[in-house]
Amino acid sequence: QVHLVESGGGVVQPGRSQRLSCAASGFTFSSYAMHWVRQAPGKGLEWVAVISYHGANKYYADSVKGRFTISRDNSKNTLYLQMNSLRAEDTAVYYCARDRVVDTIRGGYGMDVWGQGTTVTVSS
Amino acid sequence: SALAQPPSVSGSPGQSITISCTGTSSDVGGDIYVSWYQQHPGKAPKLIIYEVSNRPSGVSNRFSGSKSGNTASLTISGLQAEDEADYYCGSYTSTSIPYVFGTGTEVAVL
Repeated sequence: QVHLVESGGGVVQPGRSQRLSCAASGFTFSSYAMHWVRQAPGKGLEWVAVISYHGANKYYADSVKGRFTISRDNSKNTLYLQMNSLRAEDTAVYYCARDRVVDTIRGGYGMDVWGQGTTVTVSS
Repeated sequence: SALAQPPSVSGSPGQSITISCTGTSSDVGGDIYVSWYQQHPGKAPKLIIYEVSNRPSGVSNRFSGSKSGNTASLTISGLQAEDEADYYCGSYTSTSIPYVFGTGTEVAVL
C-alpha cells in the first residue's frame, strides 16, 4: 500500500531551525519527484518546494527561498525539509506529496499521494 | 500568485455546481496539467481530477473537469452531503515556480 508519513513537527521559537521527514513506502520512491505543501491555520494550500526524482534539481516558493532546503535519501526512501530562520508565518501543517508522473525534474503534474501532515508552530 | 477561485459555492442535494479556477497563460492556460483536490476538515487533500478532466481510479464520475483559455472548472453533479469540503485547483507553471494552488472554494450542501 502506498504510504507517506511525515514527522518532525512541533513548537519552535522564531529564528530557530526544524527538520521535517517524510517516510515513503509501497512504491519506488526514487522514481518520483516529491513536494512539500503547507497549510496555515484556517488558510489554503501553499506549495513550498519540490525535488526531482534523483535529487539534483530543487525549486522553492519565494516565501521560503534561502531559508528552507528540500532533500531526499533514496536509499532510505525518505524526503526531508530543513527549515531555518523560522518565522511566525511559517506556522502550518506541512504535507509531503508525490508528483503523479515518474522521472520528472520539477514535477507539476498533480500530486496523487499525500501524507497525513505534521504541524509546525513557530512561537516564543 | 495563487489561482483565483470563488470563496464558497453551495447547492442542494442532487443539484450540480461548478467551481472556477482562473490563472494566466503561464499556468492554467499554458498546458493540460490542471488538477483538482478535495479536502475534508482535518484531513489531507485528495486528488480528484488531473490533466484537466481525468479522474484517478476510485473517484466518483460525479466529478468532472474542463478548461477554456485561462480558466479551469470543476463540476460536481448529483451533489451529496459527503461532497461538503474544500476544493483546490492546482496547476503546472512555466515560470521558475513549478506549481501553484488556487485560493480554495468551500462547498456547502444545503
